[in-house]
Amino acid sequence: DSGVTQTPKHLITATGQRVTLRCSPRSGDLSVYWYQQSLDQGLQFLIQYYNGEERAKGNILERFSAQQFPDLHSELNLSSLELGDSALYFCASSARTSISYNEQFFGPGTRLTVL
Amino acid sequence: AQSVTQLGSHVSVSEGALVLLRCNYSSSVPPYLFWYVQYPNQGLQLLLKYTSAATLVKGINGFEAEFKKSETSFHLTKPSAHMSDAAEYFCAVRGTSYDKVIFGPGTSLSVIP
Repeated sequence: DSGVTQTPKHLITATGQRVTLRCSPRSGDLSVYWYQQSLDQGLQFLIQYYNGEERAKGNILERFSAQQFPDLHSELNLSSLELGDSALYFCASSARTSISYNEQFFGPGTRLTVL
Repeated sequence: AQSVTQLGSHVSVSEGALVLLRCNYSSSVPPYLFWYVQYPNQGLQLLLKYTSAATLVKGINGFEAEFKKSETSFHLTKPSAHMSDAAEYFCAVRGTSYDKVIFGPGTSLSVIP
């Protein structure tokens, strides 16, 4: 158990819908990272927040957005869903903003299926 | 730009045999390199990391990796495979922005009894 929790574990929805994925980092960790894992794209970094502020952006679509709240939990919002958005979405956390010196701890993931 | 290649999307070894998973990287900054393991239906877990100290890095579960700058490689090895090592393994390099990690495509390791 990494200490990172993600809800829900599974999510099935239809094209065009909007969903929210939730992540609670390890106690005390200030950085939260979101990743998308799919068979054709592999593991892709989406976005990072540090203590409530956006820190780094990766291959995140404009239809996707995220935020980190004062209690440090984070939410990833996916809208106008397409079939290709079906994937595993991972959240990770680390104590400091620089991954060079800090391990990222991954949650168990949310499996999103878009029908 | 930072990138990672992993030779072999699937590797099979016999139980007790040497495990060798290959990783080559490209980096425009001094590389920090990582190996992560993903067991079925779980998130990723850090096996080991290289951060410019010793070139031979020891990790958890008996794995180690050697950083070779001349070959731009960071191959993962384990002397004797165990059934519990069956998993997906990802090599990763830090991005030009220190907060990013670039993951390789992964290698699925199967261990044959």
